[in-house]
Amino acid sequence: KQEVTQIPAALSVPEGENLVLNCSFTDSAIYNLQWFRQDPGKGLTSLLLIQSSQREQTSGRLNASLDKSSGRSTLYIAASQPGDSATYLCAVRNNYGQNFVFGPGTRLSVLP
Amino acid sequence: GAGVSQSPRYKVAKRGQDVALRCDPISGHVSLFWYQQALGQGPEFLTYFQNEAQLDKSGLPSDRFFAERPEGSVSTLKIQRTQQEDSAVYLCASSLAVGQLGQPQHFGDGTRLSIL
Repeated sequence: KQEVTQIPAALSVPEGENLVLNCSFTDSAIYNLQWFRQDPGKGLTSLLLIQSSQREQTSGRLNASLDKSSGRSTLYIAASQPGDSATYLCAVRNNYGQNFVFGPGTRLSVLP
Repeated sequence: GAGVSQSPRYKVAKRGQDVALRCDPISGHVSLFWYQQALGQGPEFLTYFQNEAQLDKSGLPSDRFFAERPEGSVSTLKIQRTQQEDSAVYLCASSLAVGQLGQPQHFGDGTRLSIL
């Protein structure tokens, strides 16, 4: 059974810092991995989707990498801003299923 | 529509009552998913539809939970004889065509269900 973990559970940084969020998964037979952002009381906003054949994806200040063999993904946020404060979730889709398996999330606070 | 729409946004019910939660996916999206999110945790899969066919319901926690998508568009998640442990946010997601497993899932804002 696929299990997804995220470290750290919570993170507080001053504005302007670069930061890395970590995601680990136990079964490397994944089809893709997606990073989401969730604001309080809201649904999930898709940030980046990495296919299993890809190593990384970039969008603006965000860069996500994938090392499928070691079961790891990282989300790099450059020059963090207070508006980046949210919970960040990673989710993997296995080769043998349609649904995503989610991690518990990292709660990020960027202080002005 | 422009995004996935869920209603109601908030639902309060007394224990034992039945509730129905609605999801209107993005137009043209074949796949539809329901997830349950407890406070402080990531979403957990409940069930999956491909058009009107419910292909996976392995995540439904009990036979009190029932989902349908009769015309392959709008879906309803029904919970019968609600219990306090059913209190959670219920999220709906949709994605593009079947066979394109690489397509991202798009989520609605969820329905926050509170059972008193």
